[in-house]
Amino acid sequence: DTEVTQTPKHLVMGMTNKKSLKCEQHMGHRAMYWYKQKAKKPPELMFVYSYEKLSINESVPSRFSPECPNSSLLNLHLHALQPEDSALYLCASSPDRRGTGYTFGSGTRLTVV
Amino acid sequence: QKEVEQNSGPLSVPEGAIASLNCTYSDRGSQSFFWYRQYSGKSPELIMSIYSNGDKEDGRFTAQLNKASQYVSLLIRDSQPSDSATYLCAVPDSSYKLIFGSGTRLLVRP
Repeated sequence: DTEVTQTPKHLVMGMTNKKSLKCEQHMGHRAMYWYKQKAKKPPELMFVYSYEKLSINESVPSRFSPECPNSSLLNLHLHALQPEDSALYLCASSPDRRGTGYTFGSGTRLTVV
Repeated sequence: QKEVEQNSGPLSVPEGAIASLNCTYSDRGSQSFFWYRQYSGKSPELIMSIYSNGDKEDGRFTAQLNKASQYVSLLIRDSQPSDSATYLCAVPDSSYKLIFGSGTRLLVRP
């Protein structure tokens, strides 16, 4: 299995909703990442988990809350988002934190209304 | 803040030509370099990684690294319309966070 699976593929949510994005990999990778990508921009790092522990938080607003229940799963909990948070949210994994070739999931297209 | 620079393009080449994509980086200590291809509305896909000076070939793709000049390039031979995409150069920083360039949009004309 050489894939990173993200669900859902599309999500529309209101500003008062709570939702979660899910990411799963079974490649034995020990580093997992959340990125945010706006149109015509490169991906921006949000969070890094290494061996299930949060190792980097790029000053992301608290309305985004990551969780790593085990080495294969990564969640991103969303609450009280703003329309400007609409973007493509990408999960990625790598064998370790040394940036050795991330594998990206297909992404969740999030629209906040 | 480490930087990775790319020309945003678009770079337009005719089908069958060689497309040359360039990337410069600011951290002289960088050791690994990656090229990702991203089709519109899709996620980035790793197509090449290079760790040492010189050329690395994989099918129609060749990555070239020159650490002294701090640039890395991607050559695509026999370009096809299906190669039309945005190509992202990425370099890990000292904390191994992957720093992406802004991407070069490639357009291959049939």
